[in-house]
Amino acid sequence: DAGVIQSPRHEVTEMGQEVTLRCKLISGHNSLFWYRQTMMRGLELLIYFNNNVPIDDSGMPEDRFSAKMPNASFSTLKIQPSEPRDSAVYFCASRSGTGNSPLHFGNGTRLTVT
Amino acid sequence: DAKTTQPPSMDCAEGRAANLPCNHSTISGNEYVYWYRQIHSQGPQYIIHGLKNNETNEMASLIITEDRKSSTLILPHATLRDTAVYYCILRPVSGTYKYIFGTGTRLKVLA
Repeated sequence: DAGVIQSPRHEVTEMGQEVTLRCKLISGHNSLFWYRQTMMRGLELLIYFNNNVPIDDSGMPEDRFSAKMPNASFSTLKIQPSEPRDSAVYFCASRSGTGNSPLHFGNGTRLTVT
Repeated sequence: DAKTTQPPSMDCAEGRAANLPCNHSTISGNEYVYWYRQIHSQGPQYIIHGLKNNETNEMASLIITEDRKSSTLILPHATLRDTAVYYCILRPVSGTYKYIFGTGTRLKVLA
């Protein structure tokens, strides 16, 4: 199994630009979580989906952030317009809906907004 | 908010057992204790979980107190590659859950 795949691994952009982060779930998984990690705030949950439906987006910092699941195996997190304070490592994680299956994380996208 | 508390950092000598404590005094009867670790620059990695009984797998052992208000993750023979941040989190037995991570314990294994 290829695991959760995130792209790009690194993204450097200028303030005001649109940024799209991508995540491919593990095949068969039906829950998807987006996290943001900074030194100051640690690992914060932004939003999570179950069966392609957003369940809780209370962690999304502002309307500039949006997340979608266009199909069962893929998700995007978009920031428009980006700001320097959005600089962080963004992780997505997926899990199977069965039993006590754990979260499986991707290796993250390091975003730098200048 | 995270429902667990952990010491911010610990050191352990290579080859010795690393015992990482976690306090979860408000745990409810239908919540599992899960442990993850995050090695620098990588996504968090699942280690082990338990409900009431002690658990062991190829990576670690999990000891849960009888009242379930605290637990200890044991790495029996720590290696330098075990240097990481270790997170203890709770999640309900069933249903969708947010998986809130606290600040974890930064374990440093010393040569």
